[in-house]
Amino acid sequence: SYVLTQPPSVSVAPGQTARITCDGAKIGIKAVHWSRQRPGQAPVLVVHDDKVRPSGIPERLSGSNSGDTATLTIARVEAGDEADYYCQVWDNTNDQVVFGGGTRLTVL
Amino acid sequence: QVQLQESGPGLVRPSGTLYLACGVSGASISDSYWWTWVRQTPGKGLEWIGEVYQTGNTNYNPSLRSRVTVSLDKSQNQFSLRLTSVTAADTAVYYCARAQRARYFDVWGKGTRVNVSS
Repeated sequence: SYVLTQPPSVSVAPGQTARITCDGAKIGIKAVHWSRQRPGQAPVLVVHDDKVRPSGIPERLSGSNSGDTATLTIARVEAGDEADYYCQVWDNTNDQVVFGGGTRLTVL
Repeated sequence: QVQLQESGPGLVRPSGTLYLACGVSGASISDSYWWTWVRQTPGKGLEWIGEVYQTGNTNYNPSLRSRVTVSLDKSQNQFSLRLTSVTAADTAVYYCARAQRARYFDVWGKGTRVNVSS
């Protein structure tokens, strides 16, 4: 089945840019979606279809997708961005949703 | 505003059946969405369980397919999860969610914790 690989952790200082990657075979031809999960809370959608932000998500968050890597970029990182971030795709070969393992973003 | 609310027992005995319901408010279960269950084991990531469409069509995680049923209850405007032959490995927080056609989850329930233990 299709596999998505994320780094377990990313650390960044406040005000800097965080980049969270999601690797998968030819992921560039799939629609990639990103969710943020703060401790003890349900996930929240932050980017869908590679780069579309839902209402209420700041422009500091952006997505890109090409080749074998999709990336969620968070500019001017704030303490409130500290959370787990998950990428996901629809695997149309096996008719299932696939999640990446998640990346914990730590704000130093 | 669309809201989802999980309900069901917090404790299930090993080898028993886990049954959860997800009540939908602010939308109809007959709308064109995939109504979905996702779980998260303690300290781990998200795992997709399965989904049901307004027509009753379903898709399941291959690793759980033999034990899972997701179904609609249009009279109650809710959908449900049935997981049989549970073990301690099924202990998790279970979320219901609404998925758009591209399978991104735009609405989530708050989650309900289920413990499998004797």
